[in-house]
This record gives sequence, C-alpha cells and structure tokens, in this order.
Amino acid sequence: DQQVKQNSPSLSVQEGRISILNCDYTNSMFDYFLWYKKYPAEGPTFLISISSIKDKNEDGRFTVFLNKSAKHLSLHIVPSQPGDSAVYFCAAKGAGSYQLTFGKGTKLSVIP
Amino acid sequence: EPEVTQTPSHQVTQMGQEVILRCVPISNHLYFYWYRQILGQKVEFLVSFYNNEISEKSEIFDDQFSVERPDGSNFTLKIRSTKLEDSAMYFCASSTRVPSGGYTFGSGTRLTVV
Repeated sequence: DQQVKQNSPSLSVQEGRISILNCDYTNSMFDYFLWYKKYPAEGPTFLISISSIKDKNEDGRFTVFLNKSAKHLSLHIVPSQPGDSAVYFCAAKGAGSYQLTFGKGTKLSVIP
Repeated sequence: EPEVTQTPSHQVTQMGQEVILRCVPISNHLYFYWYRQILGQKVEFLVSFYNNEISEKSEIFDDQFSVERPDGSNFTLKIRSTKLEDSAMYFCASSTRVPSGGYTFGSGTRLTVV
C-alpha cells in the first residue's frame, strides 16, 4: 500500500540554496497534505500543510506546492540552512478521516 | 511551547507480556492518536480517539491493542501478549482540530520485544 510516495530517500543541498522535496500520491480522496520534519530520537514536527483546494501555501522559508492533476506536491525550503538537515515526511489525510498516511521520508542534508 | 509527553522513552519486554505506553497530550487538545514506526519503515496510523471513544482505527489495531484515557490527562496504549513484530517506535499525537494545524507528536517510546 503506497498511497503516498517519496521516491527520493535522500537529498544533499548546499547551504543557502533551495531544497525541493517531492511527494506523489494516488488517492484522489485526500483533502489535506502535511509536511513533517523529524530528527533522530524525536517525534515528527509539523511544518506546513495545504488543503486540496489550494495550490500553494507559504510560511516563512517553507512553501508547499500542490498539483492535483499530477497528484504531486513539493516542499521548497529557501534558503536552506544546516539546521534543516533531518528526515522530511509527506503525509495526507482523507476527507472525513482522522488518519494520516505517511510517505517513507526523504533525508535532507544541508552542507555548510 | 506545549508538548506531548510520552513515557517511558524506551521499554524492553519479553514476548507474551503486556505493556502500557503512556502519553500526556496537550491540555486543550481534544483529539488523540497513536502511530508507530517499525525500523526502516513508514510511520503508520494505529488509532484515533475523541470524546472518550475510538473514532477510527487501522487494520493494525486489532484485539491485541486497546486505548484508554483513564483520568482526563493521560492517554494510554496497551498491547497485550506482545510479539516480536510489535517492536517499533510508538508515537502519541494530539490536535485541536483536524487537519490544517497539524498534529503535535511526542518524542516516542521505543518498544523492544525480546
């Protein structure tokens, strides 16, 4: 069951540049998408979300883009900082459901 | 910033034993959840809890599992007769409303079944 897919297990980016993390989904009934960041030995930390009726949401250095026709979303981090190095999870919620379906995560390394 | 607190951080138990994982959600949150992550795999939904009852559960959450909010502040996950494959990180989460604000997760309990 891979309703939410993050196909890149890892990504390395130079400090100050843009990090782009990608996520694909298969379930058309998802109505919200969320991005989480996770450090080792900690729980996931909520970053940003987007409703399925929008195509962009921005919060500081973080922007999420949603392309419903392609069933694709991406998280942009600009500028990237070494403290952004973590595993990033894409998650999706179905309409009328409390359940989040997570991707496998992408490990981001920001190189100073 | 308010936190979801989980105890213990690490629990080792023998196969067949019962374990109780404890969580203190954020005080003004109304929705509570348990997730787990087996090493190297995805974070998986187990159960959601609202208004003192289970509102949704996954296929993983079978009769071996139960949840309880015994005293208005704690939220517990009980695993009866643990199996080796129950070894995982268990995350508790809570939220005020679903979903735009996201869920606040605790740091997790690492359960090791030997």
